[in-house]
Amino acid sequence: DQQVKQNSPSLSVQEGRISILNCDYTNSMFDYFLWYKKYPAEGPTFLISISSIKDKNEDGRFTVFLNKSAKHLSLHIVPSQPGDSAVYFCAAYTSGTYKYIFGTGTRLKVLA
Amino acid sequence: SQTIHQWPATLVQPVGSPLSLECTVEGTSNPNLYWYRQAAGRGLQLLFYSVGIGQISSEVPQNLSASRPQDRQFILSSKKLLLSDSGFYLCAWSLTSGRSDTQYFGPGTRLTVL
Repeated sequence: DQQVKQNSPSLSVQEGRISILNCDYTNSMFDYFLWYKKYPAEGPTFLISISSIKDKNEDGRFTVFLNKSAKHLSLHIVPSQPGDSAVYFCAAYTSGTYKYIFGTGTRLKVLA
Repeated sequence: SQTIHQWPATLVQPVGSPLSLECTVEGTSNPNLYWYRQAAGRGLQLLFYSVGIGQISSEVPQNLSASRPQDRQFILSSKKLLLSDSGFYLCAWSLTSGRSDTQYFGPGTRLTVL
């Protein structure tokens, strides 16, 4: 039972354009969502998060949108840079459970 | 500031041999600690988590075990490795309050079982 899904295994975007990475979830008890960036052979790096009481959170070039009714969140990267090329994981969390549930990741390639 | 260490960075072990991977966290007290595995081309699979010394929760029944002998030390072990144990192992920590919070990862250990 995959509670967090990233249905696009890969995405290619031109440098300077917007990258949109999507994530869907099924468990309505999730109240905190996170995005991580991962390079090969390294641990994931935290990028940005959003609480379920909000619908948008912005940090520099990164913005996360949450649509609770659709159980959908997305990460927007504007403008995309070649250094953004990596695998991006979304994760979801329910307060008090201590467990983070991860999606399978989307590989982003930003073309120069 | 908090830092998390994992070692070794890479490991090649024969089938049937034992395993011990270590993770330590600095700069925080009573963290929640986690072990994940990322198989080739796959997502992050939660293996174990711990909310305190000696408290271990297992998420996936398998050939591995975990222990937390000290507050900021988390160890992943196996008595006899299988080929299917190959993968990239990640340790992570988060605050222990039970509130929604960020989880931070270590650099990972690449394990190859031959």
